[in-house]
Amino acid sequence: SYELTQPPSVSVSPGQTAYITCSGDRLGDKYVCWYQQKPGQSPVLVIYQDTKRPSGIPERFSGSNSGNPATLTISGAQAMDEADYYCQVWDSSTVIFGGGTKLTVL
Amino acid sequence: QVQLQESGPGLVKPSETLSLTCSVSSGSISTYYWSWVRQPPGKGLEWLGYTYYSGSTNYNPSLKSRVTMSLDTSKNQFSLKLSSVTAADTAVYYCARRQGYYDSSGIPLWYFDLWGRGTLITVSS
Repeated sequence: SYELTQPPSVSVSPGQTAYITCSGDRLGDKYVCWYQQKPGQSPVLVIYQDTKRPSGIPERFSGSNSGNPATLTISGAQAMDEADYYCQVWDSSTVIFGGGTKLTVL
Repeated sequence: QVQLQESGPGLVKPSETLSLTCSVSSGSISTYYWSWVRQPPGKGLEWLGYTYYSGSTNYNPSLKSRVTMSLDTSKNQFSLKLSSVTAADTAVYYCARRQGYYDSSGIPLWYFDLWGRGTLITVSS
């Protein structure tokens, strides 16, 4: 079965750029999306179709998927960005989530 | 602003069937595919499956033998049944709306743009 691998944790200082990676076989052949989940809250879509931001998501969130890995970039990370982030793809009509990355901003 | 609201029993006994409903506040439920996703305490997200008003369904292969999803257009609700539950099924269960389409190459460009608040289901005797 298809698997996505994310680093368990990433730490950055406020104002720095955070890079969260997502690896998987032939990932460049799939569309990647990213979700942000804060403690006690539902996931929120922050990137879809590799690079697109939904309405209301700050411009500091960007995505890329030029091959392997796919990357979620948070430019000028803020304390409010501290959360778990999950990548997700579709494989054979089933949904695959990455294991999640805890972003710490301190 | 469309909202999703899960409802369920909170506590289910081992070996019984878990039943959840997701109510869609507005708009036609027939327009989209609807999914269930769960999250065990302290762990990551696990997709359970999706359903469509036509009766089309697709389930996570690891749970396929225990999962049933359906949709009630008259109530604007969709539901999840998970049979023979064990403690490993203890989780927050989310309902979610699937957006997207196939691109020109036939690659699915789908994502979950709307989520419910989730409901904690505990399996315990």
